Amino acid sequence: KQEVTQIPAALSVPEGENLVLNCSFTDSAIYNLQWFRQDPGKGLTSLLLIQSSQREQTSGRLNASLDKSSGRSTLYIAASQPGDSATYLCAVTQGGSEKLVFGKGTKLTVNP
Amino acid sequence: DGGITQSPKYLFRKEGQNVTLSCEQNLNHDAMYWYRQDPGQGLRLIYYSQIVNDFQKGDIAEGYSVSREKKESFPLTVTSAQKNPTAFYLCASGGTPTYEQYFGPGTRLTVT
Repeated sequence: KQEVTQIPAALSVPEGENLVLNCSFTDSAIYNLQWFRQDPGKGLTSLLLIQSSQREQTSGRLNASLDKSSGRSTLYIAASQPGDSATYLCAVTQGGSEKLVFGKGTKLTVNP
Repeated sequence: DGGITQSPKYLFRKEGQNVTLSCEQNLNHDAMYWYRQDPGQGLRLIYYSQIVNDFQKGDIAEGYSVSREKKESFPLTVTSAQKNPTAFYLCASGGTPTYEQYFGPGTRLTVT
């Protein structure tokens, strides 16, 4: 059974810092991996999707990498801003299935 | 304006009553999903539908029912058989070829 783990559970950084969020998964037979952002009491916003054949995706200050063989993905946020404060969720789609398996998220606080 | 809508945003019910949560999408996606989110836990899949008039149980389907009569709509009924219905419910849709999932704003259900 696929399990997704995100470490750390919470992270607090000063504004302007570059930071990395980690995601690991137990079964490397994934179809894709998605990173989401969730603000308190809100739905999920899709940030980046990495297909299993890709190594990374970039959107603005965000860069996500994928290493299928080691079961790891990282989300790099450059020059963090207070508006980046949110919970970041990682999820994988298993090969042959459309179902997402989620990690429990990393709660990020960027202090002005 | 494309997207996923969920209504209502907040819902309060007495124990023993069935309640139906609405989810509509205009993204022309074939697949739709219902997730439940509880504090400290990852999102868990309740039901999903890959095509009209067909749906499958997810990991925590007991006490829930769904229908998929139209491509755009995937309502979720929380029945009196669900032992702990108070939670945040999120609807999503997705399509081929990437299976990227897009989420609605959520419905917070409180049962007393």
